[in-house]
Amino acid sequence: KQEVTQIPAALSVPEGENLVLNCSFTDSAIYNLQWFRQDPGKGLTSLLLIQSSQREQTSGRLNASLDKSSGRSTLYIAASQPGDSATYLCAVKGGGSQGNLIFGKGTKLSVKP
Amino acid sequence: EPEVTQTPSHQVTQMGQEVILRCVPISNHLYFYWYRQILGQKVEFLVSFYNNEISEKSEIFDDQFSVERPDGSNFTLKIRSTKLEDSAMYFCASISRGSLNEQFFGPGTRLTVL
Repeated sequence: KQEVTQIPAALSVPEGENLVLNCSFTDSAIYNLQWFRQDPGKGLTSLLLIQSSQREQTSGRLNASLDKSSGRSTLYIAASQPGDSATYLCAVKGGGSQGNLIFGKGTKLSVKP
Repeated sequence: EPEVTQTPSHQVTQMGQEVILRCVPISNHLYFYWYRQILGQKVEFLVSFYNNEISEKSEIFDDQFSVERPDGSNFTLKIRSTKLEDSAMYFCASISRGSLNEQFFGPGTRLTVL
């Protein structure tokens, strides 16, 4: 059974710092991996999607990498801002292109001005 | 930009009552999902739906739950007799057939069972 783990559970950094969030999964047979942002009491905003054949994806200050064989993904946030404060969720999809997502518990990020 | 919408944003109900949560997926999407998130816990898959039938369901999705696509736009989740432990955020998601298979999520319905 696929398990997704995110470390650390919480992270507090000063504004401007570069940071890395980690995600690991137990079964490397994934179809793709998505990173989401969740603000308190709100829905999930998709940040980046990496297909299983890809190594990384970039969007603005965000860069996500995927090492399928070792069951790891990282989300790199450059030059963090207070507006980046949120919970970041990693989710993997198995079971083909229309399979469901399996989520980690998230990393709660706080960026202090 | 098209988006998934959900109503209501917050539903309060008494234990044992039936609730219907509504979702309008993105118009050209074909696959639909319900997930839930109990406060402080992981987002968990409930059910997927395609071509007017359930594709897959988790062990959470027992006989108390049902899904329906009553018309060309709405996708509903019904809980027949709510329990206290059904209190959670319920998210609807959809994907298209020919995209990168990125799942797009709605803003969620917060269900509170008293």
